[in-house]
Amino acid sequence: KNEVEQSPQNLTAQEGEFITINCSYSVGISALHWLQQHPGGGIVSLFMLSSGKKKHGRLIATINIQEKHSSLHITASHPRDSAVYICAVIVTDKLIFGTGTRLQVFP
Amino acid sequence: NAGVTQTPKFQVLKTGQSMTLQCAQDMNHEYMSWYRQDPGMGLRLIHYSVGAGITDQGEVPNGYNVSRSTTEDFPLRLLSAAPSQTSVYFCASGRFRGGTEAFFGQGTRLTVV
Repeated sequence: KNEVEQSPQNLTAQEGEFITINCSYSVGISALHWLQQHPGGGIVSLFMLSSGKKKHGRLIATINIQEKHSSLHITASHPRDSAVYICAVIVTDKLIFGTGTRLQVFP
Repeated sequence: NAGVTQTPKFQVLKTGQSMTLQCAQDMNHEYMSWYRQDPGMGLRLIHYSVGAGITDQGEVPNGYNVSRSTTEDFPLRLLSAAPSQTSVYFCASGRFRGGTEAFFGQGTRLTVV
């Protein structure tokens, strides 16, 4: 069993829809990252969370340390949000990654 | 991804050839690491370093060597390339203790034929 599980693996949405991507982990962590990777592109860190909630534009990330769960929400989704979203946890000096959620937003 | 420079972006090797992937950062981060990304498997840690002179193995270290002679540089060496090393490689840096953002290089698409 992977230490970091993401769901769903694939997600299709219509432009304007509210999107939720979930991440559950089974290890003790010091923080959690949400990352974005466009096709053929590099990886960009969207959020780093150790507690609570963060918001950046249409993106909202939450984390519940007790339940070992985090969610990434996208409000009013847009085709340019189409990408792979990756959850990664920091365990001591290592980043452990989920396998990613592939999001496609259609106009 | 300003701050982490990874080269080359693309590389084709023949089986048995050697090469070095370069990674440099100018943010004075203690932590640097190398990952490979394969379809359906996510990013897997190859080697990492928590400071100059210190390296450690990750999940998939076989076939790869690293060194960390300076804080800025963390090269990844393939001594004898194999087709199983065909992958996309990413370098990352950060200051993880206490939690901080992670910065990634642009990736290297390596094909071993």
